Amino acid sequence: SAVISQKPSRDICQRGTSLTIQCQVDSQVTMMFWYRQQPGQSLTLIATANQGSEATYESGFVIDKFPISRPNLTFSTLTVSNMSPEDSSIYLCSVAARLWDTEAFFGQGTRLTVV
Amino acid sequence: ELKVEQNPLFLSMQEGKNYTIYCNYSTTSDRLYWYRQDPGKSLESLFVLLSNGAVKQEGRLMASLDTKARLSTLHITAAVHDLSATYFCAGIIQGAQKLVFGQGTRLTINP
Repeated sequence: SAVISQKPSRDICQRGTSLTIQCQVDSQVTMMFWYRQQPGQSLTLIATANQGSEATYESGFVIDKFPISRPNLTFSTLTVSNMSPEDSSIYLCSVAARLWDTEAFFGQGTRLTVV
Repeated sequence: ELKVEQNPLFLSMQEGKNYTIYCNYSTTSDRLYWYRQDPGKSLESLFVLLSNGAVKQEGRLMASLDTKARLSTLHITAAVHDLSATYFCAGIIQGAQKLVFGQGTRLTINP
């Protein structure tokens, strides 16, 4: 299984500011994903982070609000831009060698509170 | 579009009892995943079910997959307090390369 290090683990931010979350994996992985989990809710996929190219965003999520980078096969960042209290959530990085017949692993999550 | 629905969403049970969590999905998803999440923690992979009729067991948990019924179950045998957590199932559409999660079942096991 992959070991995923996600930073920061939590943060309290002022509205209107931006926060960048880092996801580091201990081995090269094909697939990296970013999820949002609002309080008491399930996981919603924000985007698939593509190595060397623009991320693939899900409906309802846009690059200007959630820019993502993936410079190599072990690292990705998610930025939450121009934050509002509605962005208060847990943000999770997930990785997989391939999804069809293996499992996806999750980082510890970043608990974001916007005040 | 794949939709995944779990029931029940909340379950409170006594230690020693058996119960089943159900996961229904709307379109073909020949793979099904179960995860556990403790409060304030990330997701822990429990089972990956790869084919129709697949059954996997780990301790007091057993998961199965019926692709014809588009149903997966997570059965808990002789529940213990340590199994209190939220359990998620997730499906995948081949070629889509992304998981779709159910709403989660918050399980509380009382001594």
